Amino acid sequence: NAGVMQNPRHLVRRRGQEARLRCSPMKGHSHVYWYRQLPEEGLKFMVYLQKENIIDESGMPKERFSAEFPKEGPSILRIQQVVRGDSAAYFCASSPIRGAGEQFFGPGTRLTVL
Amino acid sequence: KQEVTQIPAALSVPEGENLVLNCSFTDSAIYNLQWFRQDPGKGLTSLLLIQSSQREQTSGRLNASLDKSSGRSTLYIAASQPGDSATYLCAVIEETSGSRLTFGEGTQLTVNP
Repeated sequence: NAGVMQNPRHLVRRRGQEARLRCSPMKGHSHVYWYRQLPEEGLKFMVYLQKENIIDESGMPKERFSAEFPKEGPSILRIQQVVRGDSAAYFCASSPIRGAGEQFFGPGTRLTVL
Repeated sequence: KQEVTQIPAALSVPEGENLVLNCSFTDSAIYNLQWFRQDPGKGLTSLLLIQSSQREQTSGRLNASLDKSSGRSTLYIAASQPGDSATYLCAVIEETSGSRLTFGEGTQLTVNP
């Protein structure tokens, strides 16, 4: 059973470009979470999704960031018009159930904005 | 607002020593607490999950305890090895959110051969 998959592992973008980060949850997991780890800071929750639904986006920046988890395919975290402050490691996690379920993390995508 | 604190921020020990990492949280209304390990430049590996109704969990040389009422958890590592060197993170899921993990800043552990 493959773990949580994220791609790309490393992504370099210039200011103003778009970044698309992909996450495939573990088989049988229908709950996906995105977290961000800024340099020298702890991990912060961004958004929680189930298939075709955003359940909790309380940690998402109000502008330029969006997330989706379509019926088919991976979850996508999209950052429009990236700025240097978006440089961070973005982690995806999945769980089979909500709440008491253990979350399993992917290897992360390290975004560098030049 | 839930806040998770980990003490110490960094710890350096000789190989073979038993050690304790501490985690405290301000709001005791949690679903569970999870301990993770993060190696430099890598993702998070889940070590132990303690449900709010449980007092402790064990896996190999690791033992985690939870005192929900006082907002504390400890991770005990027995007979430490150089391969245990990593950053250890604790995180909680609050009953009010039912989903998002709130993380501490981590304890950076170095085990010297």
